[in-house]
Amino acid sequence: SQQGEEDPQALSIQEGENATMNCSYKTSINNLQWYRQNSGRGLVHLILIRSNEREKHSGRLRVTLDTSKKSSSLLITASRAADTASYFCALFNAGNMLTFGGGTRLMVKP
Amino acid sequence: NAGVMQNPRHLVRRRGQEARLRCSPMKGHSHVYWYRQLPEEGLKFMVYLQKENIIDESGMPKERFSAEFPKEGPSILRIQQVVRGDSAAYFCASSPRVWGDSPLHFGNGTRLTVT
Repeated sequence: SQQGEEDPQALSIQEGENATMNCSYKTSINNLQWYRQNSGRGLVHLILIRSNEREKHSGRLRVTLDTSKKSSSLLITASRAADTASYFCALFNAGNMLTFGGGTRLMVKP
Repeated sequence: NAGVMQNPRHLVRRRGQEARLRCSPMKGHSHVYWYRQLPEEGLKFMVYLQKENIIDESGMPKERFSAEFPKEGPSILRIQQVVRGDSAAYFCASSPRVWGDSPLHFGNGTRLTVT
């Protein structure tokens, strides 16, 4: 399968805590992307990390990529209630479509 | 600058009817993608189109489903003779360049319910 697998499937934390979500995959990739989906809405792109990159930051988000372990992680620091959403990793491999994992459902309690 | 526009937001069809889902990409985007999402699941790729061309339809069911992206107007996903199993959220996305190299911009989806 080309899709990534997110872990955990669900995560519940208190506001202010950090949230870490992981994505593992089995194929080679050109890049890996993280998206957020609020309930009833479309997906919103968060970060794209290329296969030759190891870490990227965007505001309170930090994404790492370990191609030797075929895994990526998304860290949200100092979480807020508004971060409550589902988070998906998506894999791109040239010549194929962008495939999405099953997502991690994050609940941030105020 | 409007984002990806999908309509209708909700669509109810009886078994055997046809469903037409429309998608207008972001301005300047010529690449359109359709995905299907079942409740509590991820998105499954269906089809990738450019203006007047189907580039990759490997995720489309062979029967009853078709897609187009005409020279003028929105992209259309058409489902003929709908069945209950077609009930899902259908998302359209667009990008300015061939996918993978740039992020996808998603619409808010059409939720199809087949009764």
